[in-house]
Amino acid sequence: AQSVTQLGSHVSVSEGALVLLRCNYSSSVPPYLFWYVQYPNQGLQLLLKYTSAATLVKGINGFEAEFKKSETSFHLTKPSAHMSDAAEYFCAVSRIQGAQKLVFGQGTRLTINP
Amino acid sequence: EPEVTQTPSHQVTQMGQEVILRCVPISNHLYFYWYRQILGQKVEFLVSFYNNEISEKSEIFDDQFSVERPDGSNFTLKIRSTKLEDSAMYFCASLDREGPLHFGNGTRLTVT
Repeated sequence: AQSVTQLGSHVSVSEGALVLLRCNYSSSVPPYLFWYVQYPNQGLQLLLKYTSAATLVKGINGFEAEFKKSETSFHLTKPSAHMSDAAEYFCAVSRIQGAQKLVFGQGTRLTINP
Repeated sequence: EPEVTQTPSHQVTQMGQEVILRCVPISNHLYFYWYRQILGQKVEFLVSFYNNEISEKSEIFDDQFSVERPDGSNFTLKIRSTKLEDSAMYFCASLDREGPLHFGNGTRLTVT
């Protein structure tokens, strides 16, 4: 079985500060990992995905994540937070790249302070 | 950019009533999904659908739930007799072959 744990249901950072959202996964097979963002009253939008190519994955809006097998982690970072980054962020894992059944973490709400 | 569209955005229904949530996936996509998110909880997989049949379903997807692709464009989720605990945001998603999943904006279902 696969599972995802996101450490911290709420993260608050100042505008311009580093964003770090933590995600740890459990998987009995090599995982495919994803970060999704949900803005208020909108659906889930893919930020980036890891599919066993490069371990450092760059996504949209300046976000990136690094797959660390030894730590079973896939933390999301952004060097400088912007007010528009305020949203809910979900880490997810799947067993295969296609026909994906995603297992989600519980989400982290990111607040940006001016 | 093509989008997954869901209607209605908010549905209120009484306990015991049937409800149908509608989705129009992206037109060239082959795989279709329903997920739900109870307020304050994780997004949970309900069911996947491919080639006009269910390919996988979760424990949540019991006999009260059904899905259908009645024509070439719509993908529906039916709950036969709603319960209070069915109140949630329901997301439809689709993909072509290797992803990523494209999600709709969701339907908020409130059962009173």
